[in-house]
Amino acid sequence: QQQVKQSPQSLIVQKGGISIINCAYENTAFDYFPWYQQFPGKGPALLIAIRPDVSEKKEGRFTISFNKSAKQFSLHIMDSQPGDSATYFCAASIAGYSTLTFGKGTMLLVSP
Amino acid sequence: SAVISQKPSRDICQRGTSLTIQCQVDSQVTMMFWYRQQPGQSLTLIATANQGSEATYESGFVIDKFPISRPNLTFSTLTVSNMSPEDSSIYLCSVEEAGASTDTQYFGPGTRLTVL
Repeated sequence: QQQVKQSPQSLIVQKGGISIINCAYENTAFDYFPWYQQFPGKGPALLIAIRPDVSEKKEGRFTISFNKSAKQFSLHIMDSQPGDSATYFCAASIAGYSTLTFGKGTMLLVSP
Repeated sequence: SAVISQKPSRDICQRGTSLTIQCQVDSQVTMMFWYRQQPGQSLTLIATANQGSEATYESGFVIDKFPISRPNLTFSTLTVSNMSPEDSSIYLCSVEEAGASTDTQYFGPGTRLTVL
């Protein structure tokens, strides 16, 4: 049973556009939602994370939007750049249990 | 955040052999984790390794196949035993920093394993 569903599987965005990746979860006990960015041949790097006490968190061009009632959260990349081309993973965990459950990933390509 | 290194970065191994992957962290951490990432796929947790206790394995992973050591707060090893081509994957270690916000995990660069 996949507990975190991520979409789309792949995404092509023009340079300067907005990239949007969505995740939905089933377990209402989840209360920590990080996003990871992974370049080919590299390990995943923590990009931004949110807890359910806020509906939005912004760090530079990256924003997480969180909808607790819908059990959904999304990553928005503003002014997308070719250097943002990577695979993005959403994840979720329960406080105190550390174990992360990952989505299947979204391969983002930002065309010049 | 902690700086994590893994050795080897990649290896090509023969069926039936074993490979030990090392994970070194530049600071003391309580919790270390080992993940497998099959080509083009997401990350699957193999086990959690805490210093001074036996590793805790996730469903589908067993100690005989993936023995783990955690001799101190900065180092861990994962052995992939009696390898088959299905074990070809990227193996990643991650750490949760002591004193950091709960659940924040940082990943190493990974070990790319190919089994022939």
